[in-house]
Amino acid sequence: GAGVSQSPRYKVAKRGQDVALRCDPISGHVSLFWYQQALGQGPEFLTYFQNEAQLDKSGLPSDRFFAERPEGSVSTLKIQRTQQEDSAVYLCASSLDQGVGTDTQYFGPGTRLTVL
Amino acid sequence: AQSVTQLGSHVSVSEGALVLLRCNYSSSVPPYLFWYVQYPNQGLQLLLKYTTGATLVKGINGFEAEFKKSETSFHLTKPSAHMSDAAEYFCAVSESYSGYSTLTFGKGTMLLVSP
Repeated sequence: GAGVSQSPRYKVAKRGQDVALRCDPISGHVSLFWYQQALGQGPEFLTYFQNEAQLDKSGLPSDRFFAERPEGSVSTLKIQRTQQEDSAVYLCASSLDQGVGTDTQYFGPGTRLTVL
Repeated sequence: AQSVTQLGSHVSVSEGALVLLRCNYSSSVPPYLFWYVQYPNQGLQLLLKYTTGATLVKGINGFEAEFKKSETSFHLTKPSAHMSDAAEYFCAVSESYSGYSTLTFGKGTMLLVSP
């Protein structure tokens, strides 16, 4: 399959644990996005990478959230000291070009994080 | 900042009936608009998008949407609903920055289709 993949699909964490969520974008896609989707809500932007450069992290809720894409391909979203309010589905998307407004973003299936 | 409003968190139709899902946006510049569909436990899939040109946009699975600048609307329609259309639908607007763009989504509308 040539789509965006994410792992794990489901993650249960105890409050205070650290978690790492992985995204494998479509090969050759320059742009990579992370979104957070709370229950009953639409996805909300977290952060954007253009190749390995993180150009926008304005949507990250707190300094407990950290994202990286060191080689311009796979990306990891890390959440430290998880809190119950972090429970959500985390979606990754990629697009071919440098985030031109007309570009189609292709979404992965998401990681559902539940913090107990 | 741009925003998207989807009227109705749930819409119920009978199989074969017209589907109408409403989307209004706010934007200070000509917008790029998108409709995505999300099936349970799956990611978002693009249905259609408006960039420039023809204001009536046709997408996959028989859906279409019309961009109306005067009404700041981009409503999604389908003449005849199928059971397989039951899903959640998200309208989104592209927000442009220097060298990149992100998507701002509405809260979504769950489409329920009854036999």
